[in-house]
Amino acid sequence: DQQVKQNSPSLSVQEGRISILNCDYTNSMFDYFLWYKKYPAEGPTFLISISSIKDKNEDGRFTVFLNKSAKHLSLHIVPSQPGDSAVYFCAASAYNQGGKLIFGQGTELSVKP
Amino acid sequence: NAGVTQTPKFQVLKTGQSMTLQCAQDMNHEYMSWYRQDPGMGLRLIHYSVGAGITDQGEVPNGYNVSRSTTEDFPLRLLSAAPSQTSVYFCASRRDTEAFFGQGTRLTVV
Repeated sequence: DQQVKQNSPSLSVQEGRISILNCDYTNSMFDYFLWYKKYPAEGPTFLISISSIKDKNEDGRFTVFLNKSAKHLSLHIVPSQPGDSAVYFCAASAYNQGGKLIFGQGTELSVKP
Repeated sequence: NAGVTQTPKFQVLKTGQSMTLQCAQDMNHEYMSWYRQDPGMGLRLIHYSVGAGITDQGEVPNGYNVSRSTTEDFPLRLLSAAPSQTSVYFCASRRDTEAFFGQGTRLTVV
């Protein structure tokens, strides 16, 4: 059973526009959510996170929104740049369930010049 | 400060062979974990450890063993490799909730 789901395998956006990556989860015990970015032949790198007590966290061009009632989070990238082209993974953890970090399937973002 | 180091980077095994994927971190993190990445499946948790001497199963533990005798090292053992274990393996260590990943090991089982 996939507890963290990214239903869009790929997304293509024009440079300068907004990229919106979506993630859904089923485990209501998740209390921390993270986004990771992965380039080919490299390990994932941390991008931004949000605690379940917040509904928004912003870091430069990156903003994560959390809708707990809908069990949905999204990552907004504004403006998108060609260097943002990568695979983005959503991840979630529950402190009282061992803190395991569970990942989604990933969304491949392509930002075209 | 090397972060998380995985060896080897590439490996080809024959079905039935055994091997150990090495993972070492120099950040004094208590929490370490192993993931495998497969097309369309994302990163799936194999095993994890919350500290030396403590390990537990993740989402896909079958066919893999781990041990954690020191804080720094968390090796992943394949006792009898199968073609289904062809994948890219990532080791990670954590400070609080943010995980730091190694560069990965690409394993092919023929």
